[in-house]
Amino acid sequence: DAKTTQPNSMESNEEEPVHLPCNHSTISGTDYIHWYRQLPSQGPEYVIHGLTSNVNNRMASLAIAEDRKSSTLILHRATLRDAAVYYCILRSGSNYKLTFGKGTLLTVNP
Amino acid sequence: NAGVTQTPKFRILKIGQSMTLQCAQDMNHNYMYWYRQDPGMGLKLIYYSVGAGITDKGEVPNGYNVSRSTTEDFPLRLELAAPSQTSVYFCASSYSIQGGGYTFGSGTRLTVV
Repeated sequence: DAKTTQPNSMESNEEEPVHLPCNHSTISGTDYIHWYRQLPSQGPEYVIHGLTSNVNNRMASLAIAEDRKSSTLILHRATLRDAAVYYCILRSGSNYKLTFGKGTLLTVNP
Repeated sequence: NAGVTQTPKFRILKIGQSMTLQCAQDMNHNYMYWYRQDPGMGLKLIYYSVGAGITDKGEVPNGYNVSRSTTEDFPLRLELAAPSQTSVYFCASSYSIQGGGYTFGSGTRLTVV
């Protein structure tokens, strides 16, 4: 499985945008970029995924670099409920397994 | 729509005991998975299933067994529990292998003493 690199932790203020980076320099052409988050004492929650084009949904936006070697999860207005560990995961189009790293711990300050 | 339901939520086992962690989904997903998460770590895949009657090992299968007799249920069996199996266990399901999101249960916190 291709690996991803994320910062261990990030901090943000409430109501401000948050940009969570992820590097995946060994990504292959069939790898989807998935983002999950895990709130304290809960199971992971799907956030968004994409292949080549930027994606938007009600939770977040995913910006994918043109060479696909990096991506950024964008939370447009952070709330205290967004404090969680965010995982960037590559998933091959022919592989249904997710491989979780340690993710980025996002702290949101009031 | 309950999603993915895991029972029990908490359990304490003595070394050498056995137990089954239950997982059920009502979304008609073909793919189901068991993960474990040790403190401060990411999730590791134990076993997965691509449909009823078909299961396969993940990253850390030793000490566990699974079965998948129906689309809805995917129980995880621990035989001869060991302290190293103290962890939080998550069951998940998914519909598609082409992108798509996983739905996770709320987890079972297991302590082996």
